[in-house]
Amino acid sequence: QVQLVESGGGVVQPGGSLRLSCEVSGFSFSRYGMHWVRQAPGKGLEWVAFIRYDGSDEYYTDSVKGRFTIARDNSKNTLFLQMNSLRPEDTAVYYCAKVFISIFGVVHYHMDVWGQGTTVTVSS
Amino acid sequence: EIVMTQSPATLSVSPGERGTLSCRASQSVSSNLAWYQQKPGQAPRLLIYGASTRATGIPDRFSGSGSGTEFTLTISSLQSEDFAVYYCQQYNNWPVTFGPGTKVDF
Repeated sequence: QVQLVESGGGVVQPGGSLRLSCEVSGFSFSRYGMHWVRQAPGKGLEWVAFIRYDGSDEYYTDSVKGRFTIARDNSKNTLFLQMNSLRPEDTAVYYCAKVFISIFGVVHYHMDVWGQGTTVTVSS
Repeated sequence: EIVMTQSPATLSVSPGERGTLSCRASQSVSSNLAWYQQKPGQAPRLLIYGASTRATGIPDRFSGSGSGTEFTLTISSLQSEDFAVYYCQQYNNWPVTFGPGTKVDF
C-alpha cells in the first residue's frame, strides 16, 4: 500500500537548520509531484512547497522563500525539505503528500495521500 | 494569492443529522477544489477532489458540489466518526491555499 514516512524533525534554536525527509513506498515515486504542508500547534493547514516529479520545477509559499529548499532523490524514493534560518513561527507538524494522477494521466495538485507528519520546534 | 473562506467556523449537529459546510474562493478556481477531514492527532485525509469526486474508500454519505467560487460539502447523515475538522483547498493556482477549517461537533 502507499506509505509516506516523514523524519528529521526536532528542536532547534532560532536561526538554525533542519533537513526533513519523506521516504515513500507503494507507488512509482518518480512519476509524482510532491508537497510539503505544515500545521502550527492548534492552527490550520498551510502549504509550504511543491516539487515536480522530475525536480524540474519548485514552488514555495512566500514566508519560506529563500530559507527552505525542496528536493528529491528518485533513486531513493525520498523527498526532502532543507530548512535554514528557522524562526519560531516555523514551529509546526510537517507533512509530505503526493499529488494525484487520473487514469487519463491528468495531474491534480491536491494532496492525495499524506504521511503521519514530523514535528519541528524552533525555540531557544 | 487566492483566499479561501469557510463557514460556519463550527457546526454543531447531532448524529444522524445532515451537515452542510461551505467554502468560498476569492476568485474562480474552476473545479480544482478538494476537501479534507482531520481528526485530533491525525494527518488530514482526502475526501473529495475535483469539487465533487469522492476519493477512494470515502463513504457515499459525503458529497461535494459547486464550481467557480462557491462550494459545498454535504454529509448526509452524520456518524460519530465524522466529528472532525474539515478543510477545503484550491489547487487551481499557485500557491495552493487552504481554508481555515470548519469544526463539526456535537
